[in-house]
Amino acid sequence: DTAVSQTPKYLVTQMGNDKSIKCEQNLGHDTMYWYKQDSKKFLKIMFSYNNKELIINETVPNRFSPKSPDKAHLNLHINSLELGDSAVYFCASSPVGLAKNIQYFGAGTRLSVL
Amino acid sequence: GDSVTQMEGPVTLSEEACLTINCTYTATGYPSLFWYVQYPGEGLQLLLKATKADDKGSNKGFEATYRKETTSFHLEKGSVQVSDSAVYFCALSDQGGSEKLVFGKGTKLTVNP
Repeated sequence: DTAVSQTPKYLVTQMGNDKSIKCEQNLGHDTMYWYKQDSKKFLKIMFSYNNKELIINETVPNRFSPKSPDKAHLNLHINSLELGDSAVYFCASSPVGLAKNIQYFGAGTRLSVL
Repeated sequence: GDSVTQMEGPVTLSEEACLTINCTYTATGYPSLFWYVQYPGEGLQLLLKATKADDKGSNKGFEATYRKETTSFHLEKGSVQVSDSAVYFCALSDQGGSEKLVFGKGTKLTVNP
């Protein structure tokens, strides 16, 4: 069983399109995250949700909108895709309590905007 | 703001060689420190962690010691294996409860037989 699963694994699309990436975790965690990894492997947090509530929103364009229908899912919708959005997007989750800083990552979604 | 600096890669070693990947950090307060590893085609997974000064994290033969005086958390392994080939990320999280991880840029390690 995959603990944190993202779909799709690869996404190739044209500039200006709208696309979504889905994330699900079966670990029973309360907190979920989206990270962006650029072409130089630099990994930076975008959003964090705790029990469906947004708690971290880094400086991310409004074209990116996370949606959490329940605490096991955190989807990322991107409007009007731009070339600079090409990256690998990672979803992660973490428990509450003492282990809250240990994050479990999905395998990533490689987005290519042409 | 908080930041993590780790040595640039790529690093290429022969099997059974010693490994050190340097990591230093800048943070207010007393962060927790982590090493994550990303094997080819997979997501990141926690390798080891340390939550306070002088703590040593260890796992799978890897070790790192939280050095407050030098603000460092260098990753070491005495004898690497081909299966250790991966990208290694140093990270910190503050103790303010935000649960946000700040990552270094990653160091790609290739171990040849």
